[in-house]
Amino acid sequence: DVKVTQSSRYLVKRTGEKVFLECVQDMDHENMFWYRQDPGLGLRLIYFSYDVKMKEKGDIPEGYSVSREKKERFSLILESASTNQTSMYLCASSLWGAGANVLTFGAGSRLTVL
Amino acid sequence: SQQGEEDPQALSIQEGENATMNCSYKTSINNLQWYRQNSGRGLVHLILIRSNEREKHSGRLRVTLDTSKKSSSLLITASRAADTASYFCATDTSGPQGGSEKLVFGKGTKLTVNP
Repeated sequence: DVKVTQSSRYLVKRTGEKVFLECVQDMDHENMFWYRQDPGLGLRLIYFSYDVKMKEKGDIPEGYSVSREKKERFSLILESASTNQTSMYLCASSLWGAGANVLTFGAGSRLTVL
Repeated sequence: SQQGEEDPQALSIQEGENATMNCSYKTSINNLQWYRQNSGRGLVHLILIRSNEREKHSGRLRVTLDTSKKSSSLLITASRAADTASYFCATDTSGPQGGSEKLVFGKGTKLTVNP
C-alpha cells in the first residue's frame, strides 16, 4: 500500500526550540509539499519541492525552511518555534501524470508550541 | 492565496439524504479536485474533473464543473454516517506540461451525516 509517512503524529515543543518534521513517501513521486491547516483558514502551502535539492516558497514560508536531500524525504524545519506555529502540518506528494497533479497526503503532525 | 471557496461551511443531514457542496474559484484552471478529510487525519483524493469536462461520476459521488461561472459542485447520494468528514475543493492551475503551479485548497465544508 503506497503511502506518505509523517514521523510524528503529535509533538509538544517549547518556544525557541528547533523543530524537525519529517516526511517520507514510497511512491517515487517527484513532487512534495508541506501545508499547515488551521481552523477557519483551511490549508495553506508553506513550501514545495519538484526535485531533489530543489525548493520553492509557498504562500506562508516565513519562519520555516525545508530540506530535500533524497527524493523520498522532505523535511520541514522550524528554526525557532513560536506559539503561532501551533498547527496541524500536512505533508503530501504527487506525480505529474496525465496532465494532472493529484496529491497523496500523510496523516498529519499536530504541533503544539508552548 | 485562497482560490477555491466552499459553500456551505457546514452541512448536517440525515442518513439516506443527498449532500451537495459547492466550490467557487477565481482564475482559469486546468482541473478541479475534491478531497475528503476525516477528523484529525490527512486528506484523501476523491475525484478530479478537467476543465473540458462538465460532469463526472464515481460511485455515489457526482461532480459538476461550470467554467463559465467558475464553480463546481460535489453531490454525495444516499449519504451514510461514514461520510461524515470535511470536504475540500482544490484548483490546479498547472499548464498542460505541468510546471511550478500548485494545488490551492479552499477552507472546506464540514459534513455531518446523522444516523
